[in-house]
Amino acid sequence: EDKVVQSPLSLVVHEGDTVTLNCSYEVTNFRSLLWYKQEKKAPTFLFMLTSSGIEKKSGRLSSILDKKELFSILNITATQTGDSAVYLCAGAGGTSYGKLTFGQGTILTVHP
Amino acid sequence: NAGVTQTPKFQVLKTGQSMTLQCAQDMNHEYMSWYRQDPGMGLRLIHYSVGAGITDQGEVPNGYNVSRSTTEDFPLRLLSAAPSQTSVYFCASSYRPSPNEKLFFGSGTQLSVL
Repeated sequence: EDKVVQSPLSLVVHEGDTVTLNCSYEVTNFRSLLWYKQEKKAPTFLFMLTSSGIEKKSGRLSSILDKKELFSILNITATQTGDSAVYLCAGAGGTSYGKLTFGQGTILTVHP
Repeated sequence: NAGVTQTPKFQVLKTGQSMTLQCAQDMNHEYMSWYRQDPGMGLRLIHYSVGAGITDQGEVPNGYNVSRSTTEDFPLRLLSAAPSQTSVYFCASSYRPSPNEKLFFGSGTQLSVL
């Protein structure tokens, strides 16, 4: 059975701090690792990583995948209150596309 | 662009009632899926479809039924609602495979079963 585990489960920081969210995975026939941000309702896409060691960046957010050690990290620098959300990590694999296994999520709270 | 549209947004059912959650996408995506989200458990896959006429079970399929008669629509049926089905339900769709497995999510349906 595929498994994705995120840590920490929750995190409280102050504006300006840098945070690192962790995601480890065990996914059969692994193809990609995806990160989503969920603020109120629907998760919104952040990154998809398929190659090991190649960092993806979008503004203050960045992510990297280590396929040898089976984990990914999401970094957020200079955090803002608008970064407060649940961050979800998901692994894609198996024989069917579009079928993801999600981790429990990390609840990030950024205080002013 | 409407994207993925789910209805209703909220629903309260009594134990034993049946209902259908609607999901439609206008992006011509082949792949559609239903997830449920419970506190502390992330999103868990209920059923998914790789194209019209083809469906398969996910991680937590019991008590739910799906069909895919068209590319656009993928309804989720609760056959006899139970309190354990109280959850937030998300429909999602994605493009053809490789290399893009990015899911597009609907806005969710909050379901309470009393």
